[in-house]
Parts: sequence; C-alpha cells; structure tokens
Amino acid sequence: AQSVTQLDSQVPVFEEAPVELRCNYSSSVSVYLFWYVQYPNQGLQLLLKYLSGSTLVKGINGFEAEFNKSQTSFHLRKPSVHISDTAEYFCAVGYGKLTFGQGTILTVHP
Amino acid sequence: EPEVTQTPSHQVTQMGQEVILRCVPISNHLYFYWYRQILGQKVEFLVSFYNNEISEKSEIFDDQFSVERPDGSNFTLKIRSTKLEDSAMYFCATTPQETQYFGPGTRLLVL
Repeated sequence: AQSVTQLDSQVPVFEEAPVELRCNYSSSVSVYLFWYVQYPNQGLQLLLKYLSGSTLVKGINGFEAEFNKSQTSFHLRKPSVHISDTAEYFCAVGYGKLTFGQGTILTVHP
Repeated sequence: EPEVTQTPSHQVTQMGQEVILRCVPISNHLYFYWYRQILGQKVEFLVSFYNNEISEKSEIFDDQFSVERPDGSNFTLKIRSTKLEDSAMYFCATTPQETQYFGPGTRLLVL
C-alpha cells in the first residue's frame, strides 16, 4: 500500500519569495514520485518526476524537488515565485496507478 | 506536443441515467487510466487498462462502471446508472511507460 501526505493545504507567499511545498510518502516498494500542477479549470500538468538516479530533479517553470529516501520526502521548491505560479499542486507516488496527496493551494500575492 | 483529449468537457445528467466519457490517448501510449476528483477532495484512482484488459481497479470501480477501447483510438468510461455521488471531475491519463499524462477532464454533474 502507498500513501501521500501533503503537509500544507494552503501556502500564501509574496511574489519573488522562495517557496517550499512539502510532501511525505509511504510505500512498501520502490516507487516513482511526481509533482503535478492544476491551474483553475484545467487538468493536471506534470511539473517534474523522480524515477531513479540524482535525488535533485528539475522540472518546468523553475521548480525543483529533492527525493529524500531516509525521510520519505519529496518536497517541491522554487527560489522565486511569480503571480502565474498560483495554482494547486499535487504530489503523487506510484508505479502504475498513482496515489495523490490532498493538494496544496499556492497563492502568490503581488 | 501531443496531448490527451477528453470529451465532453462538461456533462449534466439525471440520476439513474447512463453516461459515457471519452478520452483520446496520445497515439503511442499503451497504458490508460481513469481517475476522479470529487470537489474539494483528492484525485482518486479508478481503473487501469492495458492490452484491452483491465489491469487494476479500485474499490470505487464497481459494477456500475466499465471501460473499453471500442475502436483502437478512443478510451471510454461508462457509468451505467449514475448516482448523485458520481458527481466529480473525471480525468483520463495515458502513458508509454512510467509517466502519466492527463487530459483536461470531464466535469460530471448528476442531478
């Protein structure tokens, strides 16, 4: 069985500030890890993924995430956010079917 | 860049009616999935489909649900007799291997 916990349901931040969205997972087997973003009234867009290899993965729009096996975490970071990053972000784990976290709503204020 | 498409974007139906949600996968993808997202809740796995067979399904995916690939391109989800609690956003996802690409979703409202 696998599960995902996103520790923050909402994260407000000012434009150009750094942000970290936290994700912890549990799984009895090795899995792949993903972050997806959902803009209002749109589908899920892949931000980045960890399959194997380097634990620091870079994605689109300047986002990156670090896989930490000992802490079973896969936190998403961006050093400087823009207004356009306002969206809901989902962490997911799986090999085949995906198990999603509850989502974190990132709101970037001017 | 190829995309997964879904039709219709919105569907309103009466309780007890049948609905068919359609998905057109990316052409070289072999694995297909349906997920749903009830308003305010997390995205939940419904079913996976490979080689014209269901490979895995969740406990949500009961006898009221079915999937098929009728013509080698479309991938459909049928709900035979809709219930109020079936109201949700339904997402199709497809993958060549490990990374799933999602469609824009169909918002289903059951009245």
